[in-house]
Amino acid sequence: GQNIDQPTEMTATEGAIVQINCTYQTSGFNGLFWYQQHAGEAPTFLSYNVLDGLEEKGRFSSFLSRSKGYSYLLLKELQMKDSASYLCAVGNSNYQLIWGAGTKLIIKP
Amino acid sequence: ETGVTQTPRHLVMGMTNKKSLKCEQHLGHNAMYWYKQSAKKPLELMFVYNFKEQTENNSVPSRFSPECPNSSHLFLHLHTLQPEDSALYLCASSQDRDRGDNQPQHFGDGTRLSIL
Repeated sequence: GQNIDQPTEMTATEGAIVQINCTYQTSGFNGLFWYQQHAGEAPTFLSYNVLDGLEEKGRFSSFLSRSKGYSYLLLKELQMKDSASYLCAVGNSNYQLIWGAGTKLIIKP
Repeated sequence: ETGVTQTPRHLVMGMTNKKSLKCEQHLGHNAMYWYKQSAKKPLELMFVYNFKEQTENNSVPSRFSPECPNSSHLFLHLHTLQPEDSALYLCASSQDRDRGDNQPQHFGDGTRLSIL
């Protein structure tokens, strides 16, 4: 079967750094996406990795290791507005997106 | 108008009612999607349209009926739904599905559906 695993919930402190992990097993691989979803709002695109390594975009970075079926999203200098759910999704060989259940990130002052 | 717009935002209906969800995108995309999002579960892909043609139907019950009159509009017609159909229904769009690569999907804010 195909599945995506990510922690259900994480808590971090404002100003700190947090790493959200995602492991996957899919039939083929055509890229990994991270989305952010605030409560009651649309998921919004954060990052896309198709090659191994780190992609940095401001306070957010995403890492991919295809051999390990593993990715993480790194959030630096956390702000209260970063409280949201973070969704990991992997494209399989049919260009379908397989979604994780999301990680709810709680930021405390 | 920007991005992907879904109406209504909230819908409460009885099991015998018929209603429709509407999605409109202003991004010039050619692929549109319906997803179901239930609490603490992964997004469930329901239907995919590419250039107005339905390309995927993920074993969705016939009480959900999609319609795509053009590349900018997508509807989900609902009838005789069950309580377990209560969820957030998200519409998304992307450039198209024929480019041979994965492109980001842009989502609407969803319709929160409650079945009484």
